[in-house]
Amino acid sequence: DVKVTQSSRYLVKRTGEKVFLECVQDMDHENMFWYRQDPGLGLRLIYFSYDVKMKEKGDIPEGYSVSREKKERFSLILESASTNQTSMYLCASSLRGADYEQYFGPGTRLTVT
Amino acid sequence: RKEVEQDPGPFNVPEGATVAFNCTYSNSASQSFFWYRQDCRKEPKLLMSVYSSGNEDGRFTAQLNRASQYISLLIRDSKLSDSATYLCAEDTGRRALTFGSGTRLQVQP
Repeated sequence: DVKVTQSSRYLVKRTGEKVFLECVQDMDHENMFWYRQDPGLGLRLIYFSYDVKMKEKGDIPEGYSVSREKKERFSLILESASTNQTSMYLCASSLRGADYEQYFGPGTRLTVT
Repeated sequence: RKEVEQDPGPFNVPEGATVAFNCTYSNSASQSFFWYRQDCRKEPKLLMSVYSSGNEDGRFTAQLNRASQYISLLIRDSKLSDSATYLCAEDTGRRALTFGSGTRLQVQP
C-alpha cells in the first residue's frame, strides 16, 4: 500500500520565517510533486521532481524552492514566508510518467501570520 | 483562459439519481485524462483514467469528447457516500498533471 507522509498536518509561522515542508514516500516512486490548494483555485502545481536532484518549476513556483537529495524525500521551502502563502499544501508521488496514478499525502495546512 | 475548467457546483442530487459533470480542456494535444475524488478535508484519490475509448467502473462512466475538448463523468444510482469533490486532470505531456478546481457533489437522502 503506497504511503505518502507529510511532516505536519498544521503549521503556523510568522511572516518572514523560513519554512520547511517535508514529504516522504515509501514506494520507490520516481516522480514527486508539491501542490497548493486554495478555495476556488483548485490544485496548483508548485514544483515537481522526476529524479533525485532533478526539479522542474510548476505553474506557481515564485516564493518557493525545493530539494530532493534522496529518492523518497521531497522538501518544499518557503525562503521568507508571506501571508499569501497561507494555504493547504499537498505532496504527491507517482511512477515515472504523468499517466501514472498520483498518490497524495494528507496535506499540511500552513497559516502565515 | 484556464487550461482545465470545471463547474464548481455544488450539484445537489437525491439518492438514486444519475448525475453528470463535464470538464473542458484547452490543449488539443493532451492524450490522457483522469478523474480524482476528494472527500472533505482529505487528500485526492484517483477514481478513474479516461482515454480515447472512455472507461466504465461499476456506477461510474467517464468519456472523452475530443471534438469539443471535454471529458465527462457520469454517476448512476447516486449514493450518499458519493458526496465529494471531483477533480479532473489532464496530462499535457510535461510529466505532470494539470488539475481543474473541482466540482462538488452533494447527494441527499
